Formats: sequence, C-alpha cells, structure tokens
Amino acid sequence: KAGVTQTPRYLIKTRGQQVTLSCSPISGHRSVSWYQQTPGQGLQFLFEYFSETQRNKGNFPGRFSGRQFSNSRSEMNVSTLELGDSALYLCASSTGLAGVMPSYNEQFFGPGTRLTVL
Amino acid sequence: AQSVTQLGSHVSVSEGALVLLRCNYSSSVPPYLFWYVQYPNQGLQLLLKYTSAATLVKGINGFEAEFKKSETSFHLTKPSAHMSDAAEYFCAVRTGTASKLTFGTGTRLQVTL
Repeated sequence: KAGVTQTPRYLIKTRGQQVTLSCSPISGHRSVSWYQQTPGQGLQFLFEYFSETQRNKGNFPGRFSGRQFSNSRSEMNVSTLELGDSALYLCASSTGLAGVMPSYNEQFFGPGTRLTVL
Repeated sequence: AQSVTQLGSHVSVSEGALVLLRCNYSSSVPPYLFWYVQYPNQGLQLLLKYTSAATLVKGINGFEAEFKKSETSFHLTKPSAHMSDAAEYFCAVRTGTASKLTFGTGTRLQVTL
C-alpha cells in the first residue's frame, strides 16, 4: 500500500506570494490533517478535513486555508506569505472514522513540504 | 485542554547504553498517547501508542513506553542504543476520537561511540 505523498517536496517563494501544497492520503483514508513544523513553535495543528469538510481547525490566521477533494486528496493554501511561514508542512492521513477506537484513527505522516519564504 | 511536556531538548547516550526520553502529559480526560520519531528531512514515523489496552507498550525498533497515570508520564525507553536511533523524538497526545494531535517540543537523541 502506497504511503502518504506530498508535493512538492521543496518550495521557495517570496514574501507576498501565495502557495499551494498538495497531499495524497493512503488509499481508503478519508481524513487528512495538516501540521506546521518550525524550530521555534514546534509541531502545530493547522486543520483536518474529512469527506471534503473541515472538521477541526487550529489557531492559525485566515491566510491559511485548505480543501479536500472527493478522492480525499487535500490541498492547503497560504496567501500573502510572510517570512515566518517558512516551515516544514506535514500532512497526515487516517481513516478518520468518528466513534471508532482511536487505534483505527492512527495517523500516517507524509515526508512533508519544505517551504522557504525569502 | 491537553498538553505534553518533554523534558530535555537534547539527550546524548553512548552506543549500547539505556535510552530514556521523558514525556509528561496533562489531560482532563483519559488520553491516548503516542511516540513518533523523525529522521532528518523526513516525516514522522509512529514508534508506539497507548490506547488504554495495556500500560506497557512495545513499539518498533526495540522501543517501549510505560503509561503511569499516577505520575502522568509516558516515558520512552530502549535498553541498548544503536547509532541508527539518532533522530528527533516527539511525544503526542490525543483525546477522544478526534484526529488532532498535540505534540511536545521534541527531544533530539544523539548516540555516540
């Protein structure tokens, strides 16, 4: 079974631009979560999508948005990039089934997209 | 709200020595706890998880962790460190069936000869 894939792996942008990152979950998984990893703030939850709906949201400004398609693939978008947005963006997929034992909601992480904002 | 605290941002051990990485949690409801490992330029890999079935949890690569409710701890151990264990380790907590994970700040493990 193929793992979680993220594209692109590396990205360089300048301040003020916008960027779109893509995540393809494991086949059969309907939940996709996004995390931002920085040296200063560590790993922080951005949002979770399940069946094309945002189910959970972290504490990030509205410049950060996402969506999920009917095939469960997800994209996240960051508009008006700031230097502080430089980070590793990780995507995680799980079955996401509500009311199911947490073990079935184990999250599998992709390799991440390294975004550098100049 | 739940949180985890990892004591020690850097831990250095000799090859063959015991590895002990500390994690304490705070949660108002029974938590589900996880340890992840991250190698350079890679994503997170699940080492092991506690989901209330057993307090001593065995994971991959010889790691194990013990859930101690009285101490609100979930420390990660490995009897004998190997050079390939050098990586960053993250403790994480989740409650209920929500997917959101709350991570600790991470501990970088260095293994020396």
